[in-house]
Amino acid sequence: GAVVSQHPSWVICKSGTSVKIECRSLDFQATTMFWYRQFPKQSLMLMATSNEGSKATYEQGVEKDKFLINHASLTLSTLTVTSAHPEDSSFYICSALPGATDTQYFGPGTRLTVL
Amino acid sequence: TQLLEQSPQFLSIQEGENLTVYCNSSSVFSSLQWYRQEPGEGPVLLVTVVTGGEVKKLKRLTFQFGDARKDSSLHITAAQPGDTGLYLCAGATTSGTYKYIFGTGTRLKVLA
Repeated sequence: GAVVSQHPSWVICKSGTSVKIECRSLDFQATTMFWYRQFPKQSLMLMATSNEGSKATYEQGVEKDKFLINHASLTLSTLTVTSAHPEDSSFYICSALPGATDTQYFGPGTRLTVL
Repeated sequence: TQLLEQSPQFLSIQEGENLTVYCNSSSVFSSLQWYRQEPGEGPVLLVTVVTGGEVKKLKRLTFQFGDARKDSSLHITAAQPGDTGLYLCAGATTSGTYKYIFGTGTRLKVLA
């Protein structure tokens, strides 16, 4: 149980285009999902907290107009990187929180490369 | 800004040796998780500790949560090459919105 999927697993796009990444909780409902990014050989950095039915909460320094988050259902959150630039190239990972537990379950990550 | 510092950053040891990884903060966390991450994959949860002073064992891994819930340690006994990976601690905070703060990470390499 507690499986989280991400799609796509990797994506290559041209500079200036937009990319959408999906995060799904497959066997549980998640009112809260988190989006992280991870640069090579570094730890995870929280970008934003996605809450079903409400606006996402972004961490300081994360541009909400560039990283659009939509949490339209209890099993799906999407992250759209708009007008991507090479510096947006990174490993993006989501996690989902089942109810009020203290345990978050991670997706397998999405490798984004912007040319 | 809440920070979770892990030490050491890098560790290369021989198979069979013991090691301890530390996770320290000046902030109090409602719970703390330890994860291991392989390259190109998402982190995999090892354990969650909730109570100050709590000790949990998972085979050769022993986890401890500090009495004040500000720090934690991970001890591995008789390390094996399969233990190689990036170890991450993450503290759950309820100040403001509920979220997790990740530690700086410890990269472990166990040589056969």
